[in-house]
Amino acid sequence: AQSVTQLGSHVSVSEGALVLLRCNYSSSVPPYLFWYVQYPNQGLQLLLKYTSAATLVKGINGFEAEFKKSETSFHLTKPSAHMSDAAEYFCAVSLNSGYSTLTFGKGTMLLVSP
Amino acid sequence: ETGVTQSPTHLIKTRGQQVTLRCSSQSGHNTVSWYQQALGQGPQFIFQYYREEENGRGNFPPRFSGLQFPNYSSELNVNALELDDSALYLCASSLVQGNSETQYFGPGTRLLVL
Repeated sequence: AQSVTQLGSHVSVSEGALVLLRCNYSSSVPPYLFWYVQYPNQGLQLLLKYTSAATLVKGINGFEAEFKKSETSFHLTKPSAHMSDAAEYFCAVSLNSGYSTLTFGKGTMLLVSP
Repeated sequence: ETGVTQSPTHLIKTRGQQVTLRCSSQSGHNTVSWYQQALGQGPQFIFQYYREEENGRGNFPPRFSGLQFPNYSSELNVNALELDDSALYLCASSLVQGNSETQYFGPGTRLLVL
């Protein structure tokens, strides 16, 4: 079985500061990993995904994440936060593609102050 | 925009009633998954349908059931509603092609059980 742990239910940054949202996974086989963003009263939007190609994955809105097998981590970063980045972020894992299901972490709320 | 729509957007029911939630997938997507997102939690997998057959199920009782139709629409039915069924229900559609699959989420239906 796979699982995801997101460290920190809330992260606060100032506008222009580095964003770092942490995600650690547990999986018995090489995983596929995803980051989704959820704005208030909306569904989930895919930011980026790792599917065993390059370990550094670039996504939308300037976000990127690095897969580190030795640390079982897939942390999400953005060099400079914008006010519009304030949202909840979910890390998710699936075992494989095709007939797969996503297992989500509990989410991290990103707060951006002026 | 993910091309996935859900109806209704909000719904209020009383305990013991039955509810049907609907999802319209992206054209051509052969897989639909349903998730329950309780307040303050990450989405939890309910079940997945592939080509109109149930393809996997999470830890949800049989009173949660579903259907997938040839026109890329699907339904989630919940019988004998309980207070704990209050949540945001998300559907996600995807196209399984070889080793490539990304789930695209709809905006969700928020269900309140009184």
